[in-house]
This record gives sequence, structure tokens and C-alpha cells, in this order.
Amino acid sequence: QQPVQSPQAVILREGEDAVINCSSSKALYSVHWYRQKHGEAPVFLMILLKGGEQKGHDKISASFNEKKQQSSLYLTASQLSYSGTYFCGTEGGGAQKLVFGQGTRLTINP
Amino acid sequence: NAGVTQTPKFRILKIGQSMTLQCTQDMNHNYMYWYRQDPGMGLKLIYYSVGAGITDKGEVPNGYNVSRSTTEDFPLRLELAAPSQTSVYFCASMFPEGGQYFGPGTRLTVL
Repeated sequence: QQPVQSPQAVILREGEDAVINCSSSKALYSVHWYRQKHGEAPVFLMILLKGGEQKGHDKISASFNEKKQQSSLYLTASQLSYSGTYFCGTEGGGAQKLVFGQGTRLTINP
Repeated sequence: NAGVTQTPKFRILKIGQSMTLQCTQDMNHNYMYWYRQDPGMGLKLIYYSVGAGITDKGEVPNGYNVSRSTTEDFPLRLELAAPSQTSVYFCASMFPEGGQYFGPGTRLTVL
């Protein structure tokens, strides 16, 4: 079952914050987050494993609530370079294969 | 480290032709994956492999085949190409409980 991402698209001014949500109807073992720029391959941002983790990575962080089967990606003080489409990928049970959401397009304007 | 490499970058096929998309990784990753991405859409898993000699179907395997004879290589074979197989194909690899590292992709058009 494909996870559902929200919002589908968001437009920000440089310096503003964004939250992207990823929700699954199945129990999750891990959640991955990737960013893809137009015409390029997806790039790995971070993985959150079962256990209610929160991770940070410069001004990009994420949380994982396994009870709610949800993850959120937080982008603070956004930069122009943050523009792109963000995908979450969910893994159900140690199979080491992901099901990706439909993506959230983030546009950062100066 | 070259990471994950894919060839060719672009290809146009006629309906009914066959081809092999090549994928090689030099990171000694056990796990390898093939995805397709249609315009404006997410990634759909075609096939994956947990190690040399072991492959399994993903969400959309029909019309494709794979083999994994070495840790490094994971070719994807398209038999009897159809217009519905027009897409961008990405190969990826990873360690267990790590992130997936993607190749640059192959843009395939079937006319």
C-alpha cells in the first residue's frame, strides 16, 4: 500500500519553514526520505528506524511515530537549494524494499 | 568511488524490440533495486535482489526480467517493448538498514 504524502505541493519564500507528512495504513519498520531535483536521480536524506526516532541533518530533520504509522520531514529556514520533490519511502517488515509516496513538490522563491 | 552507474543514458526502442539496461555499483552493497518513474509520479519497484543469485518481484514486474550473477551487476531486461514501458528507469543499491543510492537513470522511449 502506497504511503500518502501531504501536502502535494508547497511554495515558500526563502527563510520560511516547511513540514511534509507521510502516512501509512500498514505497520512500519522504517521510513526513508529522499529529495529529487528535476531531471536528476533521487538523493537519500535520512532513514528513521522503528523506535520513534527523531533525526537531524543541518536544518532538515524528521520524526517517526510508529504507533501512528506516520513520519514528518521538517525543513527550517529554507534555502533555494531545498527546492525539489520530496519522497518518503516506507518499509513494512524487514524485507528491505520500499514503497514510495507520490511526492511533495517544494518550491522556494527568493 | 563511482557509486551506481547505469547505461545507456537514453534509448529509443521500437515496439517489439528488446534491450538490456545495465547497472553496476562499486560500494559492495548486497541489496539492489530497479525502479521506474513515469512523469510527475513516484517510484515503482520492478525487481530487487538481496544478494548474488537471489532476485524477487516488486510491484510492477510484468514485461521485465533480471539476473544477479555478481554483487556488482544487476541488469534489467525488457522483452517485447511496449509504449507503456516508456519511462525513466533508476537502479539503486544499499546496505541493510541504510539509505538507497541511485544511479543517474535511463530515459527510455518506446515508439
